[in-house]
Amino acid sequence: GAGVSQSPSNKVTEKGKDVELRCDPISGHTALYWYRQSLGQGLEFLIYFQGNSAPDKSGLPSDRFSAERTGGSVSTLTIQRTQQEDSAVYLCASSSGLAGSYEQYFGPGTRLTVT
Amino acid sequence: AQSVTQLGSHVSVSEGALVLLRCNYSSSVPPYLFWYVQYPNQGLQLLLKYTTGATLVKGINGFEAEFKKSETSFHLTKPSAHMSDAAEYFCAVSGGSGGNKLVFGAGTILRVKS
Repeated sequence: GAGVSQSPSNKVTEKGKDVELRCDPISGHTALYWYRQSLGQGLEFLIYFQGNSAPDKSGLPSDRFSAERTGGSVSTLTIQRTQQEDSAVYLCASSSGLAGSYEQYFGPGTRLTVT
Repeated sequence: AQSVTQLGSHVSVSEGALVLLRCNYSSSVPPYLFWYVQYPNQGLQLLLKYTTGATLVKGINGFEAEFKKSETSFHLTKPSAHMSDAAEYFCAVSGGSGGNKLVFGAGTILRVKS
């Protein structure tokens, strides 16, 4: 079946602009995660959605970052007033959310470059 | 808090030689452990996982890993390296106080020499 998809694959934006990154999880997966991968910080957790529960936002680096998940499926990560340090690859992952099934499946990522 | 340490940011082996990538974790509760592989300009692909049960787990592409609680280790091995194994490998932990989010090690880049 189809895996996790993300769009766009690449995004170049000017400092101060807002950007939206999209993630389509594997169909039927109730858990969705966003991570950031950068040279200096490695792979970092950003935010986690599980079903209708309140999201775990503990990894968001500042209030310029937000995310939503509509209808329990597609998710959008929004970065407002982008800064150069936001340049990174943003990875989305999903998992089934079933007890005993903890593996996460990753999308190809969105490479964000802030100029 | 959970953490992962991968020893060696770069490992180089000859084709056909044993691959050993080291991973040590810190967790106050029984961990769930994972190895992922990342090829250039691609996302992360799950190689194998340990949650409960048998401590020696087998994954895709001939890789395996052994969970050793006493050593807090989860090293990744493959008996014979292939050129196609050249990639970056990440060890990750989840579970317990960390919930379901993955905490990753810094990664190890594997180079396979012909």
